[in-house]
Amino acid sequence: EDQVTQSPEALRLQEGESSSLNCSYTVSGLRGLFWYRQDPGKGPEFLFTLYSAGEEKEKERLKATLTKKESFLHITAPKPEDSATYLCAVKPYSNYQLIWGAGTKLIIKP
Amino acid sequence: DAGITQSPRHKVTETGTPVTLRCHQTENHRYMYWYRQDPGHGLRLIHYSYGVKDTDKGEVSDGYSVSRSKTEDFLLTLESATSSQTSVYFCAISENPGQSAKNIQYFGAGTRLSVL
Repeated sequence: EDQVTQSPEALRLQEGESSSLNCSYTVSGLRGLFWYRQDPGKGPEFLFTLYSAGEEKEKERLKATLTKKESFLHITAPKPEDSATYLCAVKPYSNYQLIWGAGTKLIIKP
Repeated sequence: DAGITQSPRHKVTETGTPVTLRCHQTENHRYMYWYRQDPGHGLRLIHYSYGVKDTDKGEVSDGYSVSRSKTEDFLLTLESATSSQTSVYFCAISENPGQSAKNIQYFGAGTRLSVL
């Protein structure tokens, strides 16, 4: 069964304290892996797409990496405005629909 | 929100009443999706559409129906709302899920539905 697990469920960091969020997946062939950011009361906002193991993408303080079993979202020197829930989704080869993880709630304290 | 408008943004209704949620897009994207989001769960696909009058079921379609009479509008109907359908509902759009450059889903701001 295709599934996506994100860890931890919640992460509290001090401003400037770097860390990583994990997205582990089990799919019968990966067509793509997606990272989104979701602020309270809003819809998910697209961040990155990764397609093959070894691929990396960066945007400001965020860097996403991909292996054959998991993806990491590294956050370097975070600021309070980086506080949000980060969602991971995978698209398997078996169909075109996304399978979503439950998200990691990131809180950055000033 | 990438030219996606959901209405209403909030709704409170009673068990057994019909409810229709609307999603309107100005991007002319072919694909449209309805998801629900509940605490502790990932987004779960209810129904999706791949063109006017072309729709298909997602993983949690029971109790929901959809219609798409125009490219820009995708309606989600709860024929007889139940308390288990209390959730936040999101509409999403994409150009073409089969093409790498066009498979990103863009989301609306959501509708918070409470069924009492």
